[in-house]
Amino acid sequence: DAGVTQSPTHLIKTRGQHVTLRCSPISGHKSVSWYQQVLGQGPQFIFQYYEKEERGRGNFPDRFSARQFPNYSSELNVNALLLGDSALYLCASSLRARSSYNSPLHFGNGTRLTVT
Amino acid sequence: AQSVTQLDSHVSVSEGTPVLLRCNYSSSYSPSLFWYVQHPNKGLQLLLKYTSAATLVKGINGFEAEFKKSETSFHLTKPSAHMSDAAEYFCVVNSGGGADGLTFGKGTHLIIQP
Repeated sequence: DAGVTQSPTHLIKTRGQHVTLRCSPISGHKSVSWYQQVLGQGPQFIFQYYEKEERGRGNFPDRFSARQFPNYSSELNVNALLLGDSALYLCASSLRARSSYNSPLHFGNGTRLTVT
Repeated sequence: AQSVTQLDSHVSVSEGTPVLLRCNYSSSYSPSLFWYVQHPNKGLQLLLKYTSAATLVKGINGFEAEFKKSETSFHLTKPSAHMSDAAEYFCVVNSGGGADGLTFGKGTHLIIQP
């Protein structure tokens, strides 16, 4: 079975540009979450979507937005890129809205975004 | 509110010796606890997860973790380290509040000496 897939794997953008990152969850998973992992740090929660509705938002500016499609895939959009947005962006899926011991998150390999 | 503290940023052990990665948590609710591992340029892989059924949790690749409520700890152990265990390890808590965001520790870099 395919795991969580993310595209692209690597991306280089210039300050001020816009970027769209894509994620396909594990088949049957209806919840998708996005995390930002800056080099040397643990991942930080950005968004969670469940059944196409936003269920949670971390402490990120409005330049960050996301959506979930009817097939449960998801996009993360970042506008007006800053150098500090350079990071590994991880997508994760789970069966239920609330991740727990019986519905843990499964992560993709991430998209490495470099802003120059 | 929830938080996780990984007490060591780096741990170095010799191959074949025991591994101990320490984690303390803080949670307003009864938490779900996890350990994830991240190999270089890879995503996060679930090592093990705490269930309320048992305080000693067995995971993949010979790893175990013990939940101690009185000490608010969830330390990760392995009896004998292997070279392939070299990676970044994250202790994770989810108190299941509103946003369902997991809270990650800052990570422990495990180095295996030959």
